[in-house]
Amino acid sequence: GAGVSQSPRYKVAKRGQDVALRCDPISGHVSLFWYQQALGQGPEFLTYFQNEAQLDKSGLPSDRFFAERPEGSVSTLKIQRTQQEDSAVYLCASSVRGNEQFFGPGTRLTVL
Amino acid sequence: GDSVTQMEGPVTLSEEAFLTINCTYTATGYPSLFWYVQYPGEGLQLLLKATKADDKGSNKGFEATYRKETTSFHLEKGSVQVSDSAVYFCALSAGTYKYIFGTGTRLKVLA
Repeated sequence: GAGVSQSPRYKVAKRGQDVALRCDPISGHVSLFWYQQALGQGPEFLTYFQNEAQLDKSGLPSDRFFAERPEGSVSTLKIQRTQQEDSAVYLCASSVRGNEQFFGPGTRLTVL
Repeated sequence: GDSVTQMEGPVTLSEEAFLTINCTYTATGYPSLFWYVQYPGEGLQLLLKATKADDKGSNKGFEATYRKETTSFHLEKGSVQVSDSAVYFCALSAGTYKYIFGTGTRLKVLA
């Protein structure tokens, strides 16, 4: 596609529910990143994939967060047993190896 | 650790005014520096970048110069327009794939 796409754009979850956020990177982009952007803050790194390999998950805030990219293209960020502090915009970015990151529009997650 | 500090907003200017948004950084090694812009309801867009000291990035009338001696990368524009209203993020990448972002500065330009 022309750019990075994310779905859904908005998600409201009740506390304790599981959610899954999808990212479609730019075709051919080897690297994929997830960031979390809290209200009024800059994005913070969560995790990084190179093809299907998750090379860095040091930014995931807890073991309730899980990301996968099984075929080296589409990625899913899953949050189990959501908590109010998980409310944020989740940004996906992709890049050709080592170069500029292109960001998607984000998924705004609200946990009630 | 690596970090980016931006001036707090919001910044409110009249159309055609001069804009400066300050950004300073702390990093080991020699980072690449970026300015991203986020328009309402949209994702981050790269505005400009600089990869080494004294480089000047420029785009759409915006400029920023990589100053190693002052560890700064201030964003400037000579004459802002209403359409420049957005949130601006300064970021660095210090030899790894991770981007470190500042907290963002909201710019509001009044007609």
